[in-house]
Amino acid sequence: DIQMTQSPSSLSASVGDRVTITCRSSQSIAGYLNWYQQIPGTAPKLLIYAASSLQSGVPSRFSGSASGTDFTLTISSLHPEDFASYYCQQTYSMPYTFGQGTKLEIK
Amino acid sequence: QVQLQQSGPGLVKPSQTLSLTCAISGDSVSSNNAAWNWIRQSPSRGLEWLGRTYYRSKWYNDNAVSVKGRITINPDTSKNQFSLQLNSVTPEDTAVYYCARDRAKAGGLDYWGQGTLVTVSS
Repeated sequence: DIQMTQSPSSLSASVGDRVTITCRSSQSIAGYLNWYQQIPGTAPKLLIYAASSLQSGVPSRFSGSASGTDFTLTISSLHPEDFASYYCQQTYSMPYTFGQGTKLEIK
Repeated sequence: QVQLQQSGPGLVKPSQTLSLTCAISGDSVSSNNAAWNWIRQSPSRGLEWLGRTYYRSKWYNDNAVSVKGRITINPDTSKNQFSLQLNSVTPEDTAVYYCARDRAKAGGLDYWGQGTLVTVSS
């Protein structure tokens, strides 16, 4: 199975901050990388697919990028509703595996 | 607008079968452009993709090795829904179970059910 390693596991930030979350795959996944946001008690929500494509309806402050096996989710300016957990997922090969998550908390 | 509505019991006894259903509105389980997935989430295992079913002139299934031999995912075209059965459950199968749609290998899981907490306990 392809292992997805996210960092950091938790992050404290303030409204208005720029934050970056990283996900590294254990082998090449050819850009088949998705990012999700999860608010406690709700299902994950797709933010970014194919490493850098913004899902319809997702604010443009969210962006994704890739460099080899390293992938980055950036939130350009944090809004109060962005404090949640974030997960990466590869869909390059079965089984589709997720990162362990990054919990974004208010400083 | 696609909506996925999950149903099924929240408590299952050890060694028995976990059964959940995901009813689809706004799309078709027989769509040639979608696949229908089950994922679970627990504190110990995180988010874990379990398997999917999809139609491309015939029905296909993909399942995670971690549950292979115990999992069945079936479409029901008459009710436009799909189901999950997980046999021989243990307390380690306690989790929130989600159904979700994907449109393509590069498209991600774009619509999710509301989640069902299933507890395995006697």
